[in-house]
Amino acid sequence: GQQLNQSPQSMFIQEGEDVSMNCTSSSIFNTWLWYKQDPGEGPVLLIALYKAGELTSNGRLTAQFGITRKDSFLNISASIPSDVGIYFCAGHPGRNAGNMLTFGGGTRLMVKP
Amino acid sequence: DTEVTQTPKHLVMGMTNKKSLKCEQHMGHRAMYWYKQKAKKPPELMFVYSYEKLSINESVPSRFSPECPNSSLLNLHLHALQPEDSALYLCASSQGPASGYEQYFGPGTRLTVT
Repeated sequence: GQQLNQSPQSMFIQEGEDVSMNCTSSSIFNTWLWYKQDPGEGPVLLIALYKAGELTSNGRLTAQFGITRKDSFLNISASIPSDVGIYFCAGHPGRNAGNMLTFGGGTRLMVKP
Repeated sequence: DTEVTQTPKHLVMGMTNKKSLKCEQHMGHRAMYWYKQKAKKPPELMFVYSYEKLSINESVPSRFSPECPNSSLLNLHLHALQPEDSALYLCASSQGPASGYEQYFGPGTRLTVT
C-alpha cells in the first residue's frame, strides 16, 4: 500500500546534538502524527498535528504541519541516549476517509554518549 | 489513561497449534485495530473493528481470525500459521470514525512460528 516518504532512514549522532527528520506525501493529509518505537515495544504517540502551519512542542520535541499539507517535520533538541529508537510519521487524509493511517518507513536514531 | 494492554508478551507456536492473542482498552474508544510488524518496517494494517463490527480486512489469510467480543476487547485467533507469520503483532485503538485519528498502540505480542 501507500507509504509516506520519511527521511533520513537512519541517523547516528552525538549526544547533545539536535535532530531533524521529515515526512512527505504526494497527496494532502489533514492530520499528521509522530510516533516513537523502542525495540520490542509498541509505537508511542509523541505529537499530533491538525492544522496546516501548526507548530507543536512536547518537551524537547517540536513538530510542524507543513503549509502545503503534504509534509511534516520533527525536531529533537539536545539529544540524549534515551532518544534512541525508531521514529514513524503517520498521516490521515481527514473526514470520510475511514480510520486507516498511512505510515512512513521510519527513521532509526542512534545516539552516541 | 491512554493504555492498551496485550497478552501474551511472547508466544512460540508450532504450525499445527491454535492460539489466541488478546487486547484490551478502557479509554472508551470505538475503533480497534490489529497490525503486523516485521523488523525495521512500519506497522502493516490487518483488521479494523468499528463499533464492534469488522470494517476492514486487508486481505489477510484466513489462518488469522479476529474477534471483538465487546467494545473493550479484541482477540486474534491463530491457526495453522507459517514461519513467515513470525512478527510483532500490535493492537491499537482510537476514538472512532471521524472523531479522532490518533491511534494508541499496545506493547505488542512477539510471535514466533516454528
